[in-house]
Amino acid sequence: SQQGEEDPQALSIQEGENATMNCSYKTSINNLQWYRQNSGRGLVHLILIRSNEREKHSGRLRVTLDTSKKSSSLLITASRAADTASYFCATAFSGNTGKLIFGQGTTLQVKP
Amino acid sequence: NAGVMQNPRHLVRRRGQEARLRCSPMKGHSHVYWYRQLPEEGLKFMVYLQKENIIDESGMPKERFSAEFPKEGPSILRIQQVVRGDSAAYFCASSPNNRGGENTEAFFGQGTRLTVV
Repeated sequence: SQQGEEDPQALSIQEGENATMNCSYKTSINNLQWYRQNSGRGLVHLILIRSNEREKHSGRLRVTLDTSKKSSSLLITASRAADTASYFCATAFSGNTGKLIFGQGTTLQVKP
Repeated sequence: NAGVMQNPRHLVRRRGQEARLRCSPMKGHSHVYWYRQLPEEGLKFMVYLQKENIIDESGMPKERFSAEFPKEGPSILRIQQVVRGDSAAYFCASSPNNRGGENTEAFFGQGTRLTVV
């Protein structure tokens, strides 16, 4: 079964609003990463948060990690139409070979 | 520094033919990963390779699929006797190292979209 499960599956907001996506996972992790994928394109790495970190910021992105609840959230503030894409969380767990386990993704639509 | 290069971008094969997907990692990267993505789904891990070695192939189907990363040249994902269910986007990612299992960021290629007709 999937290591990462995301919700919502789809999210539609107006430009300027904030978007929050959540990710839950099942086993202990080494780190959790968020990726973005535009339609028909490859994945772009957004941010990596390690298991001993609780919050991380990058520009308009804010990621939190709660290892006790095995969950993470990605917040995009002041969204823009160009943020329209699918967002995936990916987990890497301790002792693994470096492979990432992806969630199903959240499809975000930002309306201008 | 060019990114991860995959070719071809689109590949059409008839049932029973072979598909060969190529991936050139970023310069200086010695770790290559292959993932498969079905429409409207996330990526599924297939195989992890270092130069001349398969490190983890736990996501590879037992038959018809193989991967290599030779000392010289790109990594190749080979699918023999393709079937319609093999139609998907196949992504390659590379990373510079894997320090004792602690990940660094993976850089993804644009993918190869395989269509089996």
